[in-house]
Amino acid sequence: NAGVTQTPKFRVLKTGQSMTLLCAQDMNHEYMYWYRQDPGMGLRLIHYSVGEGTTAKGEVPDGYNVSRLKKQNFLLGLESAAPSQTSVYFCASRSGLAVTDTQYFGPGTRLTVL
Amino acid sequence: GEDVEQSLFLSVREGDSSVINCTYTDSSSTYLYWYKQEPGAGLQLLTYIFSNMDMKQDQRLTVLLNKKDKHLSLRIADTQTGDSAIYFCAETQGINAGNMLTFGGGTRLMVKP
Repeated sequence: NAGVTQTPKFRVLKTGQSMTLLCAQDMNHEYMYWYRQDPGMGLRLIHYSVGEGTTAKGEVPDGYNVSRLKKQNFLLGLESAAPSQTSVYFCASRSGLAVTDTQYFGPGTRLTVL
Repeated sequence: GEDVEQSLFLSVREGDSSVINCTYTDSSSTYLYWYKQEPGAGLQLLTYIFSNMDMKQDQRLTVLLNKKDKHLSLRIADTQTGDSAIYFCAETQGINAGNMLTFGGGTRLMVKP
């Protein structure tokens, strides 16, 4: 049981390049989330999904797209990377919305946009 | 909107108690959480407290909630070097708001031997 995994762990992009971050969970969780973490700031929600085939915008969705074609995978895409998207990206999943349904976090992807 | 504030940094000696503080602005917060982030890792849930409670204890961890002042604290007794990490407080307005979490900026705890 690997929990939540993220690929890649590190990436450096040039402005205008595109890339996709992959999040995978093997816990059969319905809910999945993408956050970004910037120095001195808490995690901010980019997009989330309440089930296979569904996605919704979070607090800071601009410049990102997501897809949830399979229940276990949640992809975060950057179509045209900008330096402001330099951040650490975390994926999380949870089985339900009760307070006792813990969010499990992946180890993060550190992205630098030059 | 919701706002969650934490001090940036705390340094303590091994064996002392650590107290990490958090303030929040939204009076409709129903649950408040403490997460721990170790270097290079994702966040790990430590504990949570419901807004109608004022204290919760779990081994070395004590959470105190002052709902009137919207102030939450995490006390770690007998702090160890392994407790060095970033601690985030977070709040949610409950299931009707999708239990979306709003995080503070994190407090970096450094434990000196």
